[in-house]
Amino acid sequence: AQSVSQHNHHVILSEAASLELGCNYSYGGTVNLFWYVQYPGQHLQLLLKYFSGDPLVKGIKGFEAEFIKSKFSFNLRKPSVQWSDTAEYFCAVIPTDSWGKLQFGAGTQVVVTP
Amino acid sequence: DARVTQTPRHKVTEMGQEVTMRCQPILGHNTVFWYRQTMMQGLELLAYFRNRAPLDDSGMPKDRFSAEMPDATLATLKIQPSEPRDSAVYFCASAPGDGANVLTFGAGSRLTVL
Repeated sequence: AQSVSQHNHHVILSEAASLELGCNYSYGGTVNLFWYVQYPGQHLQLLLKYFSGDPLVKGIKGFEAEFIKSKFSFNLRKPSVQWSDTAEYFCAVIPTDSWGKLQFGAGTQVVVTP
Repeated sequence: DARVTQTPRHKVTEMGQEVTMRCQPILGHNTVFWYRQTMMQGLELLAYFRNRAPLDDSGMPKDRFSAEMPDATLATLKIQPSEPRDSAVYFCASAPGDGANVLTFGAGSRLTVL
C-alpha cells in the first residue's frame, strides 16, 4: 500500500521567509500528486497538482512544487510567506490506476508570525 | 462557484444517539468521498462512491457507520450508535470522475459526541 510522509508536523517562520515543505511517497508506479491547504476553521482547498509534464508546477498564491521522480518527492515551496499563509498543508498522492484512493499525508501546520 | 454542501455544520449529541450527516456533491460529479479528520489520525478516508455505487468502505467501522447515496445529489453518512471517539470533523468531497481525481471538499461537519 502506498504511503505519504510529510517531514515536518509544525513549522514556524516569520513573514517574508522562504518556505519549503517536504513530501515523500512510497509507490512504484505512476502517480498524481496534490497539495491541499486548510486555513484555520476551513475546509481543504486545492493548492496545486501534478499529473504529468513539467515537474515544476505552479499553484495559487505564489506556491510551487517540484516533482522529483527519482526521490519520490513532491516538495512545496514559497519564496516569501505572508501571515495569511498560516494554515495546515497536506500532501496527497493517488496512483493513476487507483480510483479514489487519494492518500493524504499527516499534514504540516505552518504558522507565519508578523 | 460550484460547491460541495454539507449539513449540519456542527452537531453536538450524546453517546448512543444516531447521527446523520448529509452531503450534496457538485452537480455532475460522479465520485463522492467521506473523510474524517481528527488531531490524532489526521485525514482518514472512510468511504467513497462512484456513480452512486460504493467502491470502498474499508476505512469505515462497519458496526456503527453506514454510508449511502440515495440519489446523485445526496450522500449520507450515518453513525448509530454514536460514541465519544467519533468526535471529529467529517468532510465530504466530490470529483468529476474524469480520471483527474481532483477533489473539491465541503466545509465539513463538526461532530461532538458527549
